[in-house]
Amino acid sequence: DSGVTQTPKHLITATGQRVTLRCSPRSGDLSVYWYQQSLDQGLQFLIQYYNGEERAKGNILERFSAQQFPDLHSELNLSSLELGDSALYFCASSLLGQGTDTQYFGPGTRLTVL
Amino acid sequence: GDSVTQMEGPVTLSEEAFLTINCTYTATGYPSLFWYVQYPGEGLQLLLKATKADDKGSNKGFEATYRKETTSFHLEKGSVQVSDSAVYFCALYYASGGSYIPTFGRGTSLIVHP
Repeated sequence: DSGVTQTPKHLITATGQRVTLRCSPRSGDLSVYWYQQSLDQGLQFLIQYYNGEERAKGNILERFSAQQFPDLHSELNLSSLELGDSALYFCASSLLGQGTDTQYFGPGTRLTVL
Repeated sequence: GDSVTQMEGPVTLSEEAFLTINCTYTATGYPSLFWYVQYPGEGLQLLLKATKADDKGSNKGFEATYRKETTSFHLEKGSVQVSDSAVYFCALYYASGGSYIPTFGRGTSLIVHP
């Protein structure tokens, strides 16, 4: 158990809809990362937050947004969903978001867009 | 930005065989290097890491040495077990504008037969 929790585990929705994925980091970790994992694209970094502030952006679509709250949990919002957004979405946390930090991954949310 | 390249899988071995999974990187500096493992149905977890050149990371019988001359961080294990069947990811962070962007290889699937 990494100490990172993600909800829900599974999500099935339709094209055009909007969903919110939730992540609680490991106790004491200040930084949260979001990733998308699909068979064709591999593991893609989406966005990173540190102590409530956006720290780095990866391949995140404009239809996607995220935030980190004062209690350090984070939410990833996906809107105008398309079939191609079906994937596993992982959240990870690390202590300070530094280049030597170990990331601790949650179990993931499997999103299916029909 | 910096990147990592892993050998493509799947790698299929018999129990007790020797394992090597190749990873090479391109980087402007000397990033920390990581190996993560993903067991079926789970999130990634750190296997080992090395933070500077010539460092050797090791864990659970796996080893990898940070070689700046060959820009490599190959993963090795002397005798694999069925329980090592998983997907292995090589990773680094690259520095960009004061933040550290995580970059993962595409993953190498390992299948170990009894």
